[in-house]
Amino acid sequence: DSGVTQTPKHLITATGQRVTLRCSPRSGDLSVYWYQQSLDQGLQFLIQYYNGEERAKGNILERFSAQQFPDLHSELNLSSLELGDSALYFCASAPQGLSYEQYFGPGTRLTVT
Amino acid sequence: DQQVKQNSPSLSVQEGRISILNCDYTNSMFDYFLWYKKYPAEGPTFLISISSIKDKNEDGRFTVFLNKSAKHLSLHIVPSQPGDSAVYFCAASARVHGGSNYKLTFGKGTLLTVNP
Repeated sequence: DSGVTQTPKHLITATGQRVTLRCSPRSGDLSVYWYQQSLDQGLQFLIQYYNGEERAKGNILERFSAQQFPDLHSELNLSSLELGDSALYFCASAPQGLSYEQYFGPGTRLTVT
Repeated sequence: DQQVKQNSPSLSVQEGRISILNCDYTNSMFDYFLWYKKYPAEGPTFLISISSIKDKNEDGRFTVFLNKSAKHLSLHIVPSQPGDSAVYFCAASARVHGGSNYKLTFGKGTLLTVNP
């Protein structure tokens, strides 16, 4: 158990809909990272937050957005969903000063039908 | 453009033998390299890392070797155990906007199967 929690575990929704994925980092970690893993793809970095502020963006679509709240939990919002958005979405957190070592949650499997 | 490549999608070894997983990278700005292990239905688990200023790091049965001139790293598992069967991801880290924030770039993974 990494100490990172993600909800829900599974999500099935229809094209055009909007969903919110939630992540709680390990106690004391200020950084939260979001990744997408599609079939045949490695983990693709989406976005990073540090203590409530956006710090880095990767291959994140404009239809996707994220935020980190004062209690440090983070939410990833996916809107106007397409079939190709079906994937595993992982959240990771990292300790301050050693943020290259990231600790991953169990993931949310999103299926868009 | 794939900056971190794991060219072997799968590897099968016998229990007790050595497993060698390989990874190549293209970006010379990467300053840390990491290996993650992933079981089905779980998130990746951090295994071992190496700084770009070193060429070897050991942790129990796991050793990572870094060859900067060749932009190549490898993970050695000795002896391999059936419980090591998992997908192994190579990742490389680069600083983001200075400070202590890093962005990880992952390879696509290698499925290791250790046969009893």
